[in-house]
Amino acid sequence: KAGVTQTPRYLIKTRGQQVTLSCSPISGHRSVSWYQQTPGQGLQFLFEYFSETQRNKGNFPGRFSGRQFSNSRSEMNVSTLELGDSALYLCASSLGHSSTDTQYFGPGTRLTVL
Amino acid sequence: GQQLNQSPQSMFIQEGEDVSMNCTSSSIFNTWLWYKQDPGEGPVLLIALYKAGELTSNGRLTAQFGITRKDSFLNISASIPSDVGIYFCAGLTSGTYKYIFGTGTRLKVLA
Repeated sequence: KAGVTQTPRYLIKTRGQQVTLSCSPISGHRSVSWYQQTPGQGLQFLFEYFSETQRNKGNFPGRFSGRQFSNSRSEMNVSTLELGDSALYLCASSLGHSSTDTQYFGPGTRLTVL
Repeated sequence: GQQLNQSPQSMFIQEGEDVSMNCTSSSIFNTWLWYKQDPGEGPVLLIALYKAGELTSNGRLTAQFGITRKDSFLNISASIPSDVGIYFCAGLTSGTYKYIFGTGTRLKVLA
């Protein structure tokens, strides 16, 4: 079974631009979560989608948004990029319907904002 | 919000030594997960625990789900250089579907 895939792996943008990141979950997984990881902040939860609905949300500004499609693939969008948005963005998938569940991560997208 | 206290934050050990790290929470979890992350890569799942008291091994790694359901431990036996990385714990509470992550333990192995 293929793992979680993320595209692109690397991205360079300039301040003020917007960016869209893509995540394809493991087949059969309906929950997709997004995390931001910076060297000093660890894993910060952005949001979680299940069956095309945002079910959980972290404490990030409205510039960060996401969506999930009917095939469970998910996209994350960041508008009006700031230098502080430079980070590794991780996507993770799970079955999403049980409290005894296992979450698997993709390789991440490294975003650099200049 | 919920927090996971993970310790130690970092550790240097000699190759061949055993390593222990743990996570504690103020909340009860139904699932504990342990991950290892190499630089620039996504975390890789090492061990998943679903039951209080459960002890699970994966090669040289052994993890336990605490009886109180508020803590978990990861042990690495006979460490080798490729064990270098950051280890994260994560917990899942009933009904939330949102994983809470520890701050990570950075492991460095001296050959």
